[in-house]
Amino acid sequence: SAVISQKPSRDICQRGTSLTIQCQVDSQVTMMFWYRQQPGQSLTLIATANQGSEATYESGFVIDKFPISRPNLTFSTLTVSNMSPEDSSIYLCSGGTSGLVAQYFGPGTRLLVL
Amino acid sequence: KNQVEQSPQSLIILEGKNCTLQCNYTVSPFSNLRWYKQDTGRGPVSLTIMTFSENTKSNGRYTATLDADTKQSSLHITASQLSDSASYICVVSARGNAGNMLTFGGGTRLMVKP
Repeated sequence: SAVISQKPSRDICQRGTSLTIQCQVDSQVTMMFWYRQQPGQSLTLIATANQGSEATYESGFVIDKFPISRPNLTFSTLTVSNMSPEDSSIYLCSGGTSGLVAQYFGPGTRLLVL
Repeated sequence: KNQVEQSPQSLIILEGKNCTLQCNYTVSPFSNLRWYKQDTGRGPVSLTIMTFSENTKSNGRYTATLDADTKQSSLHITASQLSDSASYICVVSARGNAGNMLTFGGGTRLMVKP
């Protein structure tokens, strides 16, 4: 199994600022993903983080708002740009093996935008 | 459109009692079905994963069933404990050209009371 850590675990930010969330996996995973979970809701996929190339975004999410990096197989960052209160949510990093036979989730980053 | 529906949305039971959570899906082509437990403020943790040929799988007091013909799954919790209070999420994986794609259910929020 893989252990996934995220930093920060939580943050309170001002409107208009940006926050970068880091995700570290303790073993090599083929695929890495970023999800958002709004209060009381299930997870929504933001994008697939591709190593060394641009992330693949889901409908409703764009690179300018959620730039993602994945410089190697075990590390990725998600930036929430120009934040507004509507961005208040839990952001989860996930790593999976080839074919997503196994998928693991980080503990999440709880973001509150004032 | 791939969909996963869970019922009930929420459930309150007394400690020591059993309960069963339901998951119906319309995901094609089916690859596998997972149940996750998500404690408040934490990332989801995998309980079970079942492929098309598996009818039942247990993980301690958790037993998942899968009926691929009717596209239904259930998660049975035996002799519930206070620590079982969490959200339980059904996730169905579909095979795609870019690899497996996940569809998340809305979750069942379980509260176990003493």
